[in-house]
Amino acid sequence: GAVVSQHPSWVICKSGTSVKIECRSLDFQATTMFWYRQFPKQSLMLMATSNEGSKATYEQGVEKDKFLINHASLTLSTLTVTSAHPEDSSFYICSATQGKGEKLFFGSGTQLSVL
Amino acid sequence: EDQVTQSPEALRLQEGESSSLNCSYTVSGLRGLFWYRQDPGKGPEFLFTLYSAGEEKEKERLKATLTKKESFLHITAPKPEDSATYLCAVQARGGSEKLVFGKGTKLTVNP
Repeated sequence: GAVVSQHPSWVICKSGTSVKIECRSLDFQATTMFWYRQFPKQSLMLMATSNEGSKATYEQGVEKDKFLINHASLTLSTLTVTSAHPEDSSFYICSATQGKGEKLFFGSGTQLSVL
Repeated sequence: EDQVTQSPEALRLQEGESSSLNCSYTVSGLRGLFWYRQDPGKGPEFLFTLYSAGEEKEKERLKATLTKKESFLHITAPKPEDSATYLCAVQARGGSEKLVFGKGTKLTVNP
C-alpha cells in the first residue's frame, strides 16, 4: 500500500519555541493532505486540510497563525507549531490521499511534548 | 453535524473468543465508512472501506458490515496480535475528503 512518512516521530521542546513536522507521500502524489491531532484516549480531530499550491482550510477553533501549514509540492506538507505551549502537547498525525474517493493513508504520527 | 460513536470503549477477550465492535454514525449523506487499526504511538492503519448498506468486507479474522445507521467489526477467533485500538470514521458526500472519527475501541486479547 501507499506509504506516508512523517518526521520526526517525537519531539520535546521548550515553551515559546517553534516546531516543524514534515509529512511526505513516498510513492504517490498527494493532492490533499490532512493534519489531525489526538489527545490520549480521544479520537483524531481534524485540524486542517491542505491542497498543493493553495492555502490550508482550518477547522473551527484551530488557530491558523499558530499552526502554519505549507503544502508546497504534491509529496510534502509541513505543520509548524509556532510559539508552542504545554497545552499544545499532543500526538499529531498527517494523512494523504491521491484524490477524491481514494484511500486515505496515515503517517506514523509525531508526539510533541512542550516543557 | 456528522458524528461517530463507538462501543464498547474497551473490550477484553480470551484468545479464540469471537466478538463484535460497534460503530454508530449520523452523517449528512454517507460517502464511505472506514475502519482503521491503531497501535500505541502509531498512525492508523487502513482496514476497510464500506460504501453502502448491506456491504460486507473480510480480511483474515476481521469482517466489517454496514447498515444505514451502524457498522460492525466482527472478530473471529482473535489472537493476541489483534490487540489494538480500532477506529471507525465516516466521510460525507460533498466537496471535502475529511474523515470524522469515533474515539475507538481498545481491544485486548489475552493468550
